[in-house]
Amino acid sequence: AQSVTQLGSHVSVSEGALVLLRCNYSSSVPPYLFWYVQYPNQGLQLLLKYTTGATLVKGINGFEAEFKKSETSFHLTKPSAHMSDAAEYFCAVSVTGGGSYIPTFGRGTSLIVHP
Amino acid sequence: EAGVAQSPRYKIIEKRQSVAFWCNPISGHATLYWYQQILGQGPKLLIQFQNNGVVDDSQLPKDRFSAERLKGVDSTLKIQPAKLEDSAVYLCASSSLGLVAETQYFGPGTRLLVL
Repeated sequence: AQSVTQLGSHVSVSEGALVLLRCNYSSSVPPYLFWYVQYPNQGLQLLLKYTTGATLVKGINGFEAEFKKSETSFHLTKPSAHMSDAAEYFCAVSVTGGGSYIPTFGRGTSLIVHP
Repeated sequence: EAGVAQSPRYKIIEKRQSVAFWCNPISGHATLYWYQQILGQGPKLLIQFQNNGVVDDSQLPKDRFSAERLKGVDSTLKIQPAKLEDSAVYLCASSSLGLVAETQYFGPGTRLLVL
């Protein structure tokens, strides 16, 4: 069974600083990896996803993530934080097999952006 | 394009009462998901429908939870009887075909408090 670990339940940065949210996964087969963002009182919204091919994935709002198989990681980065980036971020993994799949989400990381 | 609709947005009940949630997915989406998101945790898949059939309900507590999608469009999730530990946000999501790497579109959720 696959699993996801997000390091740090809260990450605090200053506006304009680099954002780095960490995600490590465990899977016995090639994974599909996702980052979702959840703003207060809203549903989850896809930021980006890795399926196959290029390991550096660019998403919306200036975010990107790099799939590193050797490190089983899929960390999310943004060069310069904006106040509007303050939200909860979830890493998720899905794998094929058995005719169905169960997307597995991490516990989430709350991003706090200071002026 | 209208998003995923859910109602009610908030519900407060007492333990042992019953409650039902409604979800209307994006038009034309064959796959519908119900997730449970407990405070401080990531979403956990409860059940996945493909049209009006169940693809996976392995994580649904079937002694008290039930879900249906009779006409392959909207869906209801019921809890009967509710327990304190059922307090959570119930998220509905849909995707076009239900493929493993496909983007899921989430509704705003129903926040349930069981007293």
